[in-house]
Amino acid sequence: QVQLQESGPGLVKASGTLSLTCAVSGGSLSSSRWWTWVRQSPGTGLEWIGEISQSETTNYNPSLRSRVTILADKSNNRFSLNLNSVTAADTAVYYCARVGTIATSLDLWGQGTLVTVAS
Amino acid sequence: DIQMTQSPSSLSASVGDRVTITCRPSQGISSSLNWYQQTSGKAPKLLIFATSILHIGVPSRFSGTGTGSDFALTIDSLQPEDFATYFCQQTYMTPQTFGQGTRVEI
Repeated sequence: QVQLQESGPGLVKASGTLSLTCAVSGGSLSSSRWWTWVRQSPGTGLEWIGEISQSETTNYNPSLRSRVTILADKSNNRFSLNLNSVTAADTAVYYCARVGTIATSLDLWGQGTLVTVAS
Repeated sequence: DIQMTQSPSSLSASVGDRVTITCRPSQGISSSLNWYQQTSGKAPKLLIFATSILHIGVPSRFSGTGTGSDFALTIDSLQPEDFATYFCQQTYMTPQTFGQGTRVEI
């Protein structure tokens, strides 16, 4: 049974870089899947950040593209999110998720991790 | 970006009720509409994808309908575990976007 687990600092200083990792267990990051990051805050609701394919092709939300990088680490079966120049508006619960095979729904989610940006 | 408008934003219901939540995108999205359920403090869970296909393990009391620019999630005979927040999502165009959520409460 595939599981996803986010990890990373829960507190990031404003203007710094938010870095999170999503570990994939029970399955392979190299499977024919896309893997994605989504965040959720009370103010903006659920927001799609971007995704990466097993061939490491990426797509990003245009509103975040200038600040975000998603990378795959196949040797360790995990993928990561880097978001730079963070502000308080980036405070949110960050989720990693797997994209479904039949339709581009998100069929498996990690438990989420709260990241707070402090000045 | 495609804006997704859900209604109502919240509703009160009782066990056994039939509940319908609607989702309207700001432009046509074909059948690229998914529904998620989120209980307090947990990650969203996929309920329905491609407008009307139930995800594995989702009870048959959940159903999805719609086409193009008008979609609905219906829960027949509401159960205690169904009290949660429901979100729609369009994957027709990048960036994917979500509705603001509908809270179903007792």
